[in-house]
Amino acid sequence: QVQLKQSGPGLVQPSQSLSITCTVSGFSLTSYGVHWVRQSPGKGLEWLGVIWSGGSTDYNAAFISRLSISKDNSKSQVFFKMNSLQVNDTAIYYCGRRDAWYAMDYWGQGTSVTVSS
Amino acid sequence: QIVLTQSPAIMSASPGEKVTMTCSASSSVSYMHWYQQKSGTSPKRWIYDTSKLASGGPARFSGSGSGTSYSLTISSMEAEDAATYYCQQWSSNPPTFGSGTKLEIK
Repeated sequence: QVQLKQSGPGLVQPSQSLSITCTVSGFSLTSYGVHWVRQSPGKGLEWLGVIWSGGSTDYNAAFISRLSISKDNSKSQVFFKMNSLQVNDTAIYYCGRRDAWYAMDYWGQGTSVTVSS
Repeated sequence: QIVLTQSPAIMSASPGEKVTMTCSASSSVSYMHWYQQKSGTSPKRWIYDTSKLASGGPARFSGSGSGTSYSLTISSMEAEDAATYYCQQWSSNPPTFGSGTKLEIK
């Protein structure tokens, strides 16, 4: 069955970077894109970016200067990296598979990230 | 970017009651997706492409709309439907989400 499993730190210091790995199973990254979304009490659900099946990426303009998404198709892994985190980047970060209708049909379990010194 | 406004923000319904929540877009969109989220869990795709029910979703749920106005309807509220529902569009970049309607059981 389709699964997305996330791994990453729960605590990040201000100005440091956040790295999360999304390991997928039940489908191929060469056939599906993977989105990244975050959820915080203050801003709700925010779309951050997507890596398409062919490897190209699109980013939310608000994060383009400090966000990078890449993948390793052979390992079924997608890599998310955001730089220069601040307190207001505290949120739950999700990866999700993009379906044919540009929705997210399967989601990872989420990575709760707190930015604090 | 397109702003999605959901109303009401919070609502409650009795078992068996019909429920309707709306999502208004600041500009016309071609379709709307809806997600259900229960406390402590990831959102689930619930209705996609405006009116298609996700696999496993109860048939009492339906979606409709066009242009700037979309809605999600539950024909007969059940306790398990208590959750927060979010709408989402990607007719225009960047994809955006509404702020959610929290549905409680009376």
